[in-house]
Amino acid sequence: QSALTQPASVSGSRGQSITLSCTGTNSDVGGFDYVSWYQHHPGEAPKLIIYHVTNRPSGVSNRFSGSKSGNTASLTISGLQAEDEADYYCGSYSSSSILLFGGGTRVTVL
Amino acid sequence: EVQLVESGGRLVKPGESLRLSCAASGFTLNNAWMSWVRQAPGKGLEWVGRVKSVGGTTDNAALVKGRFIILRDDSRNTLYLQMNNLKSDDSAVYYCTTEGYEIGYHALAVWGQGTTVTVSS
Repeated sequence: QSALTQPASVSGSRGQSITLSCTGTNSDVGGFDYVSWYQHHPGEAPKLIIYHVTNRPSGVSNRFSGSKSGNTASLTISGLQAEDEADYYCGSYSSSSILLFGGGTRVTVL
Repeated sequence: EVQLVESGGRLVKPGESLRLSCAASGFTLNNAWMSWVRQAPGKGLEWVGRVKSVGGTTDNAALVKGRFIILRDDSRNTLYLQMNNLKSDDSAVYYCTTEGYEIGYHALAVWGQGTTVTVSS
C-alpha cells in the first residue's frame, strides 16, 4: 500500500492558524477512525499529539485539533508558536492490518 | 513511568544480520502491542512491523517481510528486531513504540529514543 499524502511544507506567522492535510483511501483514512498525528523535532523521538482522528493525549496543548472528511484527515494548529516548528506526520491503520504514515509536512513559523 | 530504550544499532555490511533490542520499563511488555518504526536519512517515518500482546503474533510491512522478524522475551521484558540480509535502504534510525497501550487502538504513544543502523560496504 502507498503512503498517505501530505503537503511537503506549510508555513504561518506566529499567532496564526494553519491546517495540514493527510489524504488516503477508503482502505485506510476513510475506512477507519484510527488516524493519528505525530510531531517530530529532529533529533528527538516523535510525539503523539492526536489519536482516533480528534483526541488529544493528556498534556498535549489544546491548540492542536484533528478532524476528518472522507479520505482526508486534517490537523489544525491554532495560535502558532515558535516551538510548533517541526515535522508533522499523519498515520492510519489500514485494511491490511498495517500502519501507514504520510510523507510528513515541515511546519515553518515565520 | 513507561519507558523504552533501544540499543544495538551499528555499521554493518550489505547482506549481514543485526538484532536490535528495546528494553521496556514501567509496564509489562506482553500486555501491549509493540511496533517498530524507522526513519531513513532525509526521509519520513516508516512502519516496520508489530507484535501483538495476546499470542505474540506479528505483522510486517511488505518491504521487510521475510527479512525482519520481531521477537519478544517476556522474562527480560525486552523486544527485539532481528534484521537479516540487510540492504543499504535499511539504513535508518529505528524506534520501538507502544501501539495502543493505555490509549486508543493503533496510536503510537510511547517512543524510545531510537538506535541508528547504517548499512554500507
